[in-house]
Amino acid sequence: EDQVTQSPEALRLQEGESSSLNCSYTVSGLRGLFWYRQDPGKGPEFLFTLYSAGEEKEKERLKATLTKKESFLHITAPKPEDSATYLCAVCFQYNNNDMRFGAGTRLTVKP
Amino acid sequence: DAGVIQSPRHEVTEMGQEVTLRCKPISGHNSLFWYRQTMMRGLELLIYFNNNVPIDDSGMPEDRFSAKMPNASFSTLKIQPSEPRDSAVYFCASRKLRGTFNTEAFFGQGTRLTVV
Repeated sequence: EDQVTQSPEALRLQEGESSSLNCSYTVSGLRGLFWYRQDPGKGPEFLFTLYSAGEEKEKERLKATLTKKESFLHITAPKPEDSATYLCAVCFQYNNNDMRFGAGTRLTVKP
Repeated sequence: DAGVIQSPRHEVTEMGQEVTLRCKPISGHNSLFWYRQTMMRGLELLIYFNNNVPIDDSGMPEDRFSAKMPNASFSTLKIQPSEPRDSAVYFCASRKLRGTFNTEAFFGQGTRLTVV
């Protein structure tokens, strides 16, 4: 049973076309939700940590938000260099606080 | 800080051979993860350690896989014997435990394993 679900699987945007990526989770007892960016051939690169519903974090064109059941990664006016796979990971109290990843959203930004 | 260091970066081996992957976590971090990434299954958690102690190894696919963390600055993931279906990118990640809430983990560059 999937506990972390990301959507869409792939997203193609034109440069400047804002959009949002979704990460939903089905288990209570969240102890941290993390967003990562992964470029081909590299390890995931940390972007944001969120702990509580209502929390928001921002960095350049990216903004992450959290509710009780999902998180959104908003991308404002994206550029081609934002093309990457964006991964969401969660830590749940019930499973010893390990870190489980969603399948990711592959973002392509065309100039 | 040099970040999480993994070696080798690439490994090609023949089926049946033993493979050892190595990881040096970030200094001061006391939690370490081993993940495997494939196109079909994404990032799968294999095992993780807190303070050098294995906490959950339920993700280790078979008895052919074993992991150790003899001290705070070194961990190994061993596959013996290796099989072609073990081909994947293996990542190590580390983080600093801080009370109730979990901090972010930092990843190495991965080891690309090919078993022929």
